[in-house]
Amino acid sequence: SQKIEQNSEALNIQEGKTATLTCNYTNYSPAYLQWYRQDPGRGPVFLLLIRENEKEKRKERLKVTFDTTLKQSLFHITASQPADSATYLCALATGGGNKLTFGTGTQLKVEL
Amino acid sequence: DVKVTQSSRYLVKRTGEKVFLECVQDMDHENMFWYRQDPGLGLRLIYFSYDVKMKEKGDIPEGYSVSREKKERFSLILESASTNQTSMYLCASSSPPSLADTQYFGPGTRLTVL
Repeated sequence: SQKIEQNSEALNIQEGKTATLTCNYTNYSPAYLQWYRQDPGRGPVFLLLIRENEKEKRKERLKVTFDTTLKQSLFHITASQPADSATYLCALATGGGNKLTFGTGTQLKVEL
Repeated sequence: DVKVTQSSRYLVKRTGEKVFLECVQDMDHENMFWYRQDPGLGLRLIYFSYDVKMKEKGDIPEGYSVSREKKERFSLILESASTNQTSMYLCASSSPPSLADTQYFGPGTRLTVL
């Protein structure tokens, strides 16, 4: 069956450290993958998109990698801050690019 | 900035009531979507529309219908609300060519059905 897996357990890290979140998928061949941030009681906000022919993408303190062999994307936040605390969702372009399928998200807590 | 607005942040309805959730976007996007989000299940696609008066079923359309009479407005209708439709409802929009391109979400409507 098709699955998108993100760690359901919250990730707690100390301010200033690098946070790394994982998105694994099975039985999909996405042309691209996106990461979104969601704050409690709010809608998701787009952060980054990475295509299957790109290994890595960066935006300010954010970095995303995409390994189509491992079927995995890693999302890194460097020099993390308490304001980075949120739930992060990965989303795959599925159905021949006609649909965005979301993972359940990982909650990140950055502590002082 | 893209703005997607939803008619209510919180809504409480009774079982059997007809419920309308409205979504408006101001970026002239062709594609619009309705999702529901439940703990442990993530976002699930209910319906989407890629043009005025066009609609397609998503993964969980049962118990819902939609209406798109104008490009900027996409309505989700619960014909007869049931308690298992208590959820967070999120509207999103995007521009072509792909329905899987970056989506812009509204703030969500938390619906409680008693």
